Amino acid sequence: EVQLVESGGGLGQPGGSLRLSCAASGFTFSSYEMNWVRQAPGKGLEWVSYISTGGSTIYYADSVKGRFTISRDNAKSSLYLQMNSLRADDTAIYYCANGYKYLDYWGQGTLVTVSS
Amino acid sequence: EIVLTQSPATLSLSPGERATLSCRASQRVSSYLAWYQQKPGQAPRLLIYDASNRATGIPARFSGTGSGTDFTLTISSLEPEDFAVYYCQQRSSWPLITFGQGTRLEIK
Repeated sequence: EVQLVESGGGLGQPGGSLRLSCAASGFTFSSYEMNWVRQAPGKGLEWVSYISTGGSTIYYADSVKGRFTISRDNAKSSLYLQMNSLRADDTAIYYCANGYKYLDYWGQGTLVTVSS
Repeated sequence: EIVLTQSPATLSLSPGERATLSCRASQRVSSYLAWYQQKPGQAPRLLIYDASNRATGIPARFSGTGSGTDFTLTISSLEPEDFAVYYCQQRSSWPLITFGQGTRLEIK
């Protein structure tokens, strides 16, 4: 069974940093592209970032470019999102999801709240 | 950016009825469109990809049609567990994938 479990969310200060993790199991992690998608409270879905299987190709939404960094550790079957220079509008549930151009499986998400 | 507009915003139907949800793209996306279902407090689940292909384990009552700019998700006979929010997503402009704003399917 595919499982994706996010962690690392919580309260972050404006201008501060948080690091999210996503632990994968039930599939060959190193063979799958991965993504982060977020959902602001009561709102729709927004794609955040993509990373290729080996980590050599990375893309970001304009809203997070230059502030967020996606990475992965295939040996640990884990995906990460380093979030710097946090803003109030980064407040959202952050989901990791596998897939190339569609998002096949999603984790349950981790809530990030940016507030002073 | 390709904008996806879903209609209606809310659809009120009874179990056993047929549901028809629409998604319109601001420019042609070929057949590169997916549908997701999200229940309260849960992650989205992939239902349909490439406009008309059901994802693994998705019941046959879910079907998708369309190409170009106009797409439809049909649920042939609503089950109680189908009441949820549905999102469309395009991959034509990958890596910048975008989602519609969602249609809430509620029990009448």
